[in-house]
Amino acid sequence: QLQVQESGPGLVKPSETLSLTCTVSGGSISSTEHYWGWIRQPPGQGLEWIAIIRYNGQTYYSPSLKSRVAISVDTPKNQISLSLHSVTATDTAVYHCARQIDYHWYFDLWGRGTLVTVSS
Amino acid sequence: QSALTQPASVSGSPGQSITISCTGTTSDVGTYNYVSWYQQYSGKAPKLIIYDVTNRPSGVSDRFSGSKSGNTASLTISGLQAEDEADYYCSSMRSFISVVFGGGTKLTVL
Repeated sequence: QLQVQESGPGLVKPSETLSLTCTVSGGSISSTEHYWGWIRQPPGQGLEWIAIIRYNGQTYYSPSLKSRVAISVDTPKNQISLSLHSVTATDTAVYHCARQIDYHWYFDLWGRGTLVTVSS
Repeated sequence: QSALTQPASVSGSPGQSITISCTGTTSDVGTYNYVSWYQQYSGKAPKLIIYDVTNRPSGVSDRFSGSKSGNTASLTISGLQAEDEADYYCSSMRSFISVVFGGGTKLTVL
């Protein structure tokens, strides 16, 4: 059964870089039908789309976060990674990894998410 | 980027039907038939319940249905059950190649 699992530090200092990894198990990340991406959810708030990437490195970014975000893929390890630079307290959120269906723009498989707190 | 507009909360009694609206613009909901809906229980990952405006994934109850008119999409839950109490989010493709979510609606089953 295909699963995704997020990992990374739970605490990041302001102005530093948040780095997260998503590991896909039970299947291959190298699918022509899917993108893999990140969505975040600040405590008690709604969902925000961050970025997606395909196995071949094709990427799309949220216009509001594009200047601070980088997403990458490591197909041998079946992983995708997220880097968010110059973080502030407003970046505190649960970060979910998810699979997006190409050409249909919905997420059919989600990880439970990992809470990242930005604080000194 | 501004989120799609959803009511903050809706409520209904068991057996009733409720509808949650999701209002966007001509840059997203009004142009693309790529509206999806997610159900989220507290502390859990979101679950896809509707995709491409009206389609249900395998295993999702047929009590959930979706529709769209103009810039507004809607999720209807019929035969409301206690287990439907959760947060619901809409989502749409937005020009130029991005995804936008709604602010979320908390459903309370009375």
